[in-house]
Amino acid sequence: DAGITQSPRHKVTETGTPVTLRCHQTENHRYMYWYRQDPGHGLRLIHYSYGVKDTDKGEVSDGYSVSRSKTEDFLLTLESATSSQTSVYFCAIKGIGTGAFFGQGTRLTVV
Amino acid sequence: TQLLEQSPQFLSIQEGENLTVYCNSSSVFSSLQWYRQEPGEGPVLLVTVVTGGEVKKLKRLTFQFGDARKDSSLHITAAQPGDTGLYLCAGGASEKTSYDKVIFGPGTSLSVIP
Repeated sequence: DAGITQSPRHKVTETGTPVTLRCHQTENHRYMYWYRQDPGHGLRLIHYSYGVKDTDKGEVSDGYSVSRSKTEDFLLTLESATSSQTSVYFCAIKGIGTGAFFGQGTRLTVV
Repeated sequence: TQLLEQSPQFLSIQEGENLTVYCNSSSVFSSLQWYRQEPGEGPVLLVTVVTGGEVKKLKRLTFQFGDARKDSSLHITAAQPGDTGLYLCAGGASEKTSYDKVIFGPGTSLSVIP
């Protein structure tokens, strides 16, 4: 299995609070991605990174920010959580010319 | 905006039957991947295709990339209950030379009935 871990695996938070999800890899892959998965919408790209401090927006980036200060870590921050951000969040890593490998997901509930 | 469509959205078949699912786009992709996802788990990579017209086989699964690199198909022969899951296609589009933006289709939910 690809060395990728997400934390936490489950989180319940209140509306308006900031939340940070962490993705950690041990594969030294260049690319890292954050997706959210919701019924009827499939996997939607939030943000991605193509190197340390190099990030770009995906399809559904509003309300989210990311940071990548080290190759192995990619953080996703919900600046002020809303109920519409209740979802399952997946991190993925990808090398050059390879497919993507996914973490186990983080189930986030905003109440 | 690059979009991927998949069909059918849902498929329920008997064990032993053959099936084909499709992934289509109006955009050209540098590569295309197929994944399978089971409930409560992350998607797992099945195959990557990069050359137009390419065919890859993985046991009972056959993957084909369209000649124009805009579409792909997944054919399963003699489906088994263990094939049940959500099948996702994903396109790797290099808009710049330095990164790959991977986007996903909505998926085909397959149920194989014993």
